[in-house]
Amino acid sequence: GESVGLHLPTLSVQEGDNSIINCAYSNSASDYFIWYKQESGKGPQFIIDIRSNMDKRQGQRVTVLLNKTVKHLSLQIAATQPGDSAVYFCAEIPFTSGTYKYIFGTGTRLKVLA
Amino acid sequence: DSGVTQTPKHLITATGQRVTLRCSPRSGDLSVYWYQQSLDQGLQFLIQYYNGEERAKGNILERFSAQQFPDLHSELNLSSLELGDSALYFCASSESRAPYEQYFGPGTRLTVT
Repeated sequence: GESVGLHLPTLSVQEGDNSIINCAYSNSASDYFIWYKQESGKGPQFIIDIRSNMDKRQGQRVTVLLNKTVKHLSLQIAATQPGDSAVYFCAEIPFTSGTYKYIFGTGTRLKVLA
Repeated sequence: DSGVTQTPKHLITATGQRVTLRCSPRSGDLSVYWYQQSLDQGLQFLIQYYNGEERAKGNILERFSAQQFPDLHSELNLSSLELGDSALYFCASSESRAPYEQYFGPGTRLTVT
């Protein structure tokens, strides 16, 4: 279920270290952002979201940071575990002309090294 | 397990044919979304239905159509299939018409030969 045909950037991280995955978004009107995790052969899984009126949001072992000035989103995973190995991608969701649009990044492959 | 089910899991068909993909949302979810994930384009939003009505439209081809039934399950119909339609098709659901916390199904892998 992953975008294996795309040339995905890969982040290799030692188990136990923190991971930071970045995403640049395109639409300044985007007011909602989501990070997804997609393991091989599975559908995307919601990790965490953030609205444009926030700069930071924390979940369990994950933190999302939003920098609207440079249209940049990042996902931080604390104490990375082998089960975190997957493709991670962001989604930006602008609300324009009375409807939502859904724009997905191509993703970053996270490899956790034992 | 997200609670969203999709059938079939795999589908192999020939160019020019028509197929129907089926999705059952999580219990209580009123919105259903369809996405296409191809090898060269990543995840693309196709269409959203909320409580039986079309709510948002993305990059859905005219050869494709969808509907949501009174029991809230949804079907995506793909016709006049081309080789380039080969992809994973995901369905997702959420509680409301807003796109918060979508839960994805396992996908249907369509291969057009």
